[in-house]
Amino acid sequence: EVQLLESGGGLVQPGGSLRLSCAASGFTFSSYAMTWVRQAPGKGLEWVSGISNSGGNTYYSDSVEGRFTISRDNSKNTLKLQMNSLRAEDTAVYYCAKSWKGIHQLDYWGQGTLVTVSS
Amino acid sequence: DIQMTQSPSTLSASVGDRVTITCRASQSISSWLAWYQQKPGKAPNLLIYKASSLESGVPSRLSGSGSGTEFTLTISSLQPDDSATYYCQQYNSYWTFGQGTKVEIK
Repeated sequence: EVQLLESGGGLVQPGGSLRLSCAASGFTFSSYAMTWVRQAPGKGLEWVSGISNSGGNTYYSDSVEGRFTISRDNSKNTLKLQMNSLRAEDTAVYYCAKSWKGIHQLDYWGQGTLVTVSS
Repeated sequence: DIQMTQSPSTLSASVGDRVTITCRASQSISSWLAWYQQKPGKAPNLLIYKASSLESGVPSRLSGSGSGTEFTLTISSLQPDDSATYYCQQYNSYWTFGQGTKVEIK
């Protein structure tokens, strides 16, 4: 059974940093691209970042480019998102999601971790 | 960047009704489109991929169609369990979601 478990969310002040993790199990992690998708309170889904199966290619939305860094450790089946220079508008539930192959449909999702940016 | 626009934003229909949601892309995305269902407090769930392929376990009353820039999600006979928000998503160039359509049962 595929499982994705996010952690690392919490309350952080504007300008601060936070690192999210996603522990994957139930599939060959190193074979699939992975993404982060967020959802602000009461709002829709927003794709944030993606990474190829090897980690050699990374992708970012314009809203987080230069502030967030996605990475993965295929030996530990772990996906990470380093978030710096956080803003109030980054407040959201952050989901990690598995892509079917490369850039494809997102077939499995974690339950999400809440990030709140507030003073 | 590719923009995705869904309509309507909200719809209210009765059990048994046929319901259609439309998604338009700002440029051609071939058939690289997925549909997701999300219920309150839950993660999204993949329904349809490659515009018209039904994900395993998804009821056959749901169907998708379209290519290029115009796509539709149809529920042939609305059921109480279909009350949710539906999102389209393109994956022709990275990933982009539509703004969502909330489906309510009258």
